[in-house]
Amino acid sequence: AQKITQTQPGMFVQEKEAVTLDCTYDTSDPSYGLFWYKQPSSGEMIFLIYQGSYDQQNATEGRYSLNFQKARKSANLVISASQLGDSAMYFCAMREGGAGSYQLTFGKGTKLSVIP
Amino acid sequence: EAQVTQNPRYLITVTGKKLTVTCSQNMNHEYMSWYRQDPGLGLRQIYYSMNVEVTDKGDVPEGYKVSRKEKRNFPLILESPSPNQTSLYFCASSPLSPNRNQPQHFGDGTRLSIL
Repeated sequence: AQKITQTQPGMFVQEKEAVTLDCTYDTSDPSYGLFWYKQPSSGEMIFLIYQGSYDQQNATEGRYSLNFQKARKSANLVISASQLGDSAMYFCAMREGGAGSYQLTFGKGTKLSVIP
Repeated sequence: EAQVTQNPRYLITVTGKKLTVTCSQNMNHEYMSWYRQDPGLGLRQIYYSMNVEVTDKGDVPEGYKVSRKEKRNFPLILESPSPNQTSLYFCASSPLSPNRNQPQHFGDGTRLSIL
């Protein structure tokens, strides 16, 4: 079974609108972390936001917020007020295991296109 | 500037010709890792290292070697490249800490084409 599932291969959003990118995960470990990365067409991987499994509040970073629903094992990324520069691939990733585990498992990504 | 530097950025080569992709980080991170990215598959980990002289296999290690002789450098070696190793490769690093919230910092990627 896939550990990280991103069900939307591609999405379109109108400029200035909000958009939600879905991510569900599968782990039996009670302690884990969830990350979102952005990959623009230039190719680099840019860290956006982090959510820990024990965090009581949903993470926010500027226009990015994470809708964390632990019981549903989902960690959806919400981008508010979309901009043309938000057009990119977005990857959800998970780090699980004990304190010695640093491996990131990535989903297959969602390609977001922002329409003027 | 804190960064992970990969070289080369682009390489076209032929089957069987040994190549090395270098990776260097200036953040004094203990953890370093190599990923490959293929269309529709996301990023998959090839090898990782928790510290100098400590390396371990990731999910897709076949056909690759790594070494960690110095903390800052983590080269990826393809002894006998084959066309199925044509891919976009990323090196990443992060500090080791009990808190799991340290993101991995990625290099800009190396696009390899094996003919």
